[in-house]
Amino acid sequence: GQQLNQSPQSMFIQEGEDVSMNCTSSSIFNTWLWYKQDPGEGPVLLIALYKAGELTSNGRLTAQFGITRKDSFLNISASIPSDVGIYFCAGLKFRGGSEKLVFGKGTKLTVNP
Amino acid sequence: SQTIHQWPATLVQPVGSPLSLECTVEGTSNPNLYWYRQAAGRGLQLLFYSVGIGQISSEVPQNLSASRPQDRQFILSSKKLLLSDSGFYLCAWSRLAGGLGKNIQYFGAGTRLSVL
Repeated sequence: GQQLNQSPQSMFIQEGEDVSMNCTSSSIFNTWLWYKQDPGEGPVLLIALYKAGELTSNGRLTAQFGITRKDSFLNISASIPSDVGIYFCAGLKFRGGSEKLVFGKGTKLTVNP
Repeated sequence: SQTIHQWPATLVQPVGSPLSLECTVEGTSNPNLYWYRQAAGRGLQLLFYSVGIGQISSEVPQNLSASRPQDRQFILSSKKLLLSDSGFYLCAWSRLAGGLGKNIQYFGAGTRLSVL
């Protein structure tokens, strides 16, 4: 099946540091999404990207839709302890009469105060 | 605004027992509905999706089944649970807004299932 390669798998950083994670694929996607999942909770949508080259910010978060439509990155600036969690990228692709969401395997972020 | 509810939040069941997890969505009509399983806190595996009442598509063969008896209700079931059915089960909904590329999925809080 389709794969999204998300990296890194995990990150251990100090509070105040910036974070960068990315997803790549061999397939083209119509939309890129970034979710955050807190322990024991469902993923929550952070940012949605709809156009190739689009750069979108949400507070300290910035994400970009790659120009080739095969990749996306998420940056977090000045990390704080509540940024801890698993971050998932997801790509929407039209297939079989509907849009299917393909997830990366997640980046687990640990922030040391 | 739209909300999605899943219950129970936590469930411990013996091997061979039946299962029924329920998911309901409020504040929208004709949603697409999804069931995912997440093992070991990583990776979301799509199990079933539904585009309407009584319409269920299965993504992977398994011991589970899904039903959609009402527009905003999605149920995940099993007749006999296996140890390998343990995991974190997530329900999600989406709508088509603005055409292709807008079908964003929103997740419930999940059900932690332990089969012993």
